Amino acid sequence: DADVTQTPRNRITKTGKRIMLECSQTKGHDRMYWYRQDPGLGLRLIYYSFDVKDINKGEISDGYSVSRQAQAKFSLSLESAIPNQTALYFCATRGENTEAFFGQGTRLTVV
Amino acid sequence: DAKTTQPPSMDCAEGRAANLPCNHSTISGNEYVYWYRQIHSQGPQYIIHGLKNNETNEMASLIITEDRKSSTLILPHATLRDTAVYYCIVRSLDSSYKLIFGSGTRLLVRP
Repeated sequence: DADVTQTPRNRITKTGKRIMLECSQTKGHDRMYWYRQDPGLGLRLIYYSFDVKDINKGEISDGYSVSRQAQAKFSLSLESAIPNQTALYFCATRGENTEAFFGQGTRLTVV
Repeated sequence: DAKTTQPPSMDCAEGRAANLPCNHSTISGNEYVYWYRQIHSQGPQYIIHGLKNNETNEMASLIITEDRKSSTLILPHATLRDTAVYYCIVRSLDSSYKLIFGSGTRLLVRP
């Protein structure tokens, strides 16, 4: 099983719909992250969390919300999806003194 | 965390060494240099990290200058499968949990 699992892997949704992207990890790490990647660009940080009681905004949090349901689960929500949120989304986790482990990504298309 | 600067693209011939530079002139004493790579649209993968000494593992070598203001990732015998975007990141282990990616260097390994 993968260390970091993202579901769904691909999703097409309509403008205005609410959508949730889910992430779970088996590394036992406390830190979890959500990133967005647009074509040809690097990863931009949306939200990050230290533990279930700690949620922090990243570089581009507007239009997104997150929930840390458990140490191993960190979900990203788009309350009302818009076309410019079409992107590749990555979840990651890392421990205090470890490298980061990434999921395989969720390709989201908003039409 | 310190900002990094990388060339947008590089290429090298298969079987030759690929040397990828990174400038991090504002690095502070407790910040490490990390390298990740992203193959096509997969999740980024950790390669190597170091503080001030040169490091080597089964994937690559990391050379950090004495003043720590720049570093070079070396892939000693590049293969076609090394074609990817390479990200240089600087962060401290005990600071905030942010993990910020720049635009990276797109490495093309030519047959």
